[in-house]
Order: sequence, then C-alpha cells, then structure tokens
Amino acid sequence: KQEVTQIPAALSVPEGENLVLNCSFTDSAIYNLQWFRQDPGKGLTSLLLIQSSQREQTSGRLNASLDKSSGRSTLYIAASQPGDSATYLCAGQDTGGFKTIFGAGTRLFVKA
Amino acid sequence: EAGVAQSPRYKIIEKRQSVAFWCNPISGHATLYWYQQILGQGPKLLIQFQNNGVVDDSQLPKDRFSAERLKGVDSTLKIQPAKLEDSAVYLCASSLRWADTQYFGPGTRLTVL
Repeated sequence: KQEVTQIPAALSVPEGENLVLNCSFTDSAIYNLQWFRQDPGKGLTSLLLIQSSQREQTSGRLNASLDKSSGRSTLYIAASQPGDSATYLCAGQDTGGFKTIFGAGTRLFVKA
Repeated sequence: EAGVAQSPRYKIIEKRQSVAFWCNPISGHATLYWYQQILGQGPKLLIQFQNNGVVDDSQLPKDRFSAERLKGVDSTLKIQPAKLEDSAVYLCASSLRWADTQYFGPGTRLTVL
C-alpha cells in the first residue's frame, strides 16, 4: 500500500532564501508525482508534474526532482518570496491501481 | 478556459441529514476525481471516473456515500445519512486523461452538526 510522507510539516524562512521541500513514498511503482500549492480556504493549484520516465521538471523559480529508486521527490524553491507562503502538497499516482495518494503537506511561511 | 466549478461552496447540515455536491469539470476532460480533505490532512481520493465509468472507488464509504457522472460530464457526490466525521472539504478535480495534470475546483466546505 502506497504511503506518501512530507517532511517537515512546517517551515519558516526569511525572504530570499532558497529552500527544499521533501516528499517520500513507500512504493517505487509510481507512475507520476505531482506537486501542488494550497492557499488557505482555497483549492489546489498544480505546480509541476513529473512522469516516471523523467527525473525533473522546472517552472520559473521551481524545480522538482523524482528519484524512484530511493522513493523521494524534492521541490526546490529559489529566492523565496512572501507570496510563496502556502501549503505545498505532493501526490503520487500508482501504476496499477490508478489511485492518487497525497502527503499531508508542508506549510511554508516566508517572512518579509 | 473555464476551470473546475463546484457548488455549493459551503453547507451546514445536522447529522443524519443528506447532502449533495455538484462538480462541472473542465470541458473535454475525461477523468474526474472526488477527494475528501479533513483539516490538517492531505486530500483523500474517494472516487475516480474515466468518462462515465468508475475506475477506483476503494476508499468511498459505500454505505453512505454515492457518486455518479452521467453522460461523462458533470458529477454529483451524495452523502446520506451524514455523520459528524464527514465534516471536511470536498474537492473535485479533473484531468484530460488519467495521469495528466489534475486541476482542482474551489471545494465545498461541509459542516455536520
């Protein structure tokens, strides 16, 4: 049974700092890994999708990597800004069962 | 391009009452998902449709929850009867195909008293 874990649960950094959010999964039979952002009281916004055949994806100041052999994905945020403050969630989609499994998220606070 | 639409945005009911949520996915998206998100947790997949067929409902409490996607477009999720532990945000998402990027609606916040 696939389990997805995100560490840390919360993170506070000063503006301008580069940071890494971690996501680990128990079953390497993962088809893709998606990173989302959730603002308070809002739905989820997709940030990056990494297919199993890829190792990383980049969008602006964001870079996500996927290492199936170690069961890890990381989201790198460069030059953080107060507007980046939100909860970041990762989700893996199984190869066999089509199921999407989410982590509990990392709550990020960027101080001005 | 219009996003995923959900209604209502908020609902308060007494336990043992019934409630229904509606979702209209992005036009042309074949895959539709319903998730339950309890405060402080990540979303949990309840049911996934491919067009109008169910591909996964293993985590749907079928004694009280039901969902349908008639004509492979919009979808309805129903709870009958509701329990206190059903208080959560119910999120609908859609994707062009399975394993493509999922786009989420704003969610429906359900409070069961």
